Amino acid sequence: KQEVTQIPAALSVPEGENLVLNCSFTDSAIYNLQWFRQDPGKGLTSLLLIQSSQREQTSGRLNASLDKSSGRSTLYIAASQPGDSATYLCAVVQTGANNLFFGTGTRLTVIP
Amino acid sequence: NAGVTQTPKFRILKIGQSMTLQCTQDMNHNYMYWYRQDPGMGLKLIYYSVGAGITDKGEVPNGYNVSRSTTEDFPLRLELAAPSQTSVYFCASSYREDGYTFGSGTRLTVV
Repeated sequence: KQEVTQIPAALSVPEGENLVLNCSFTDSAIYNLQWFRQDPGKGLTSLLLIQSSQREQTSGRLNASLDKSSGRSTLYIAASQPGDSATYLCAVVQTGANNLFFGTGTRLTVIP
Repeated sequence: NAGVTQTPKFRILKIGQSMTLQCTQDMNHNYMYWYRQDPGMGLKLIYYSVGAGITDKGEVPNGYNVSRSTTEDFPLRLELAAPSQTSVYFCASSYREDGYTFGSGTRLTVV
């Protein structure tokens, strides 16, 4: 069964700092990987989707990378802002499955 | 474009009661899903559907039922509510395996 792990569970950084969130998965037979943002009491907002054939995706200050062979993905956030404070979730779609396997998330706090 | 709409947003049930969580999407997505999120845990799949008339169990289906009579709607039915079903429920839709869109969630408490 696919297991998705996110480290660290919580992270606190000063405003303006660049940071990296980590995601690892146990089964490399994935169709794609998706990063989501979740604000307290809210739903999930899709940030970036990386297909299994891709190495990275970029959107504004966000860059996500995928190394399928090692079972790792990173989400890089440049010049962090207080508005980036949220929980970031990583999820993978297993090849041949109709399911997103989620990690437990990294709770990010950006201090003004 | 409303995306995925869930109702209600909050609900308190007594043990043994039943209810239906509603989910509607207007993106003509063929795939729809129900997840639950418990504190400190990742989202777990309850049921999913790959099209009208087709549903299948996910990781944690016990105590729930679903139906998919139209492309747009995918209601989740709780029969005989139990405290273990206290959770936040999310509905999602996608075009095949790509680009999941989530609703804003239903926070359910069973007392």
